[in-house]
Amino acid sequence: KNEVEQSPQNLTAQEGEFITINCSYSVGISALHWLQQHPGGGIVSLFMLSSGKKKHGRLIATINIQEKHSSLHITASHPRDSAVYICAVGGYFGNEKLTFGTGTRLTIIP
Amino acid sequence: DAGVIQSPRHEVTEMGQEVTLRCKPISGHDYLFWYRQTMMRGLELLIYFNNNVPIDDSGMPEDRFSAKMPNASFSTLKIQPSEPRDSAVYFCASSDRGRGNEQFFGPGTRLTVL
Repeated sequence: KNEVEQSPQNLTAQEGEFITINCSYSVGISALHWLQQHPGGGIVSLFMLSSGKKKHGRLIATINIQEKHSSLHITASHPRDSAVYICAVGGYFGNEKLTFGTGTRLTIIP
Repeated sequence: DAGVIQSPRHEVTEMGQEVTLRCKPISGHDYLFWYRQTMMRGLELLIYFNNNVPIDDSGMPEDRFSAKMPNASFSTLKIQPSEPRDSAVYFCASSDRGRGNEQFFGPGTRLTVL
């Protein structure tokens, strides 16, 4: 069983829809990261969080430490949001090593 | 700051040749990471350094892979001899422990071994 699991693996939605991507992990962590990778492109860190919720523009990330679960939400989705979203755990003081999920490929149709 | 810089961006080589990938981290960052991404295995950590010292190299596939960080502004990942199964995108990332260790990724090097 992978330490970090994401769902769904693939998601196609219409422009404007509310998007939710889920991440579950099985180990104790100090921080959880959400990363974005555009086709053929580099990797951008969207959020790093260890509790509660963070918001940046139309993106919201939440984490429930007790349930070992995090969600990434996109409001008013746009075709430019089409990318692979990767969840990773670890990466805080004393635990710099990241373990990655397999990613969720999001496609937003105009 | 220019961000994390990697070179070359693309490398095509023949099996058996030596390959050297280069990375310049963001100035002031004290952690440097080397990752490999393939379709089959996704993103994997190969090795990471703290203040130029290798901390965890458990992800390095085998003795054909080696990494060095001679100073705070430069690191190399070397594959010798290269094999077709080494074909992947190799990412370098750096972070600053004093700022929470958010990792900043370079653009990657796409390696193709024929």
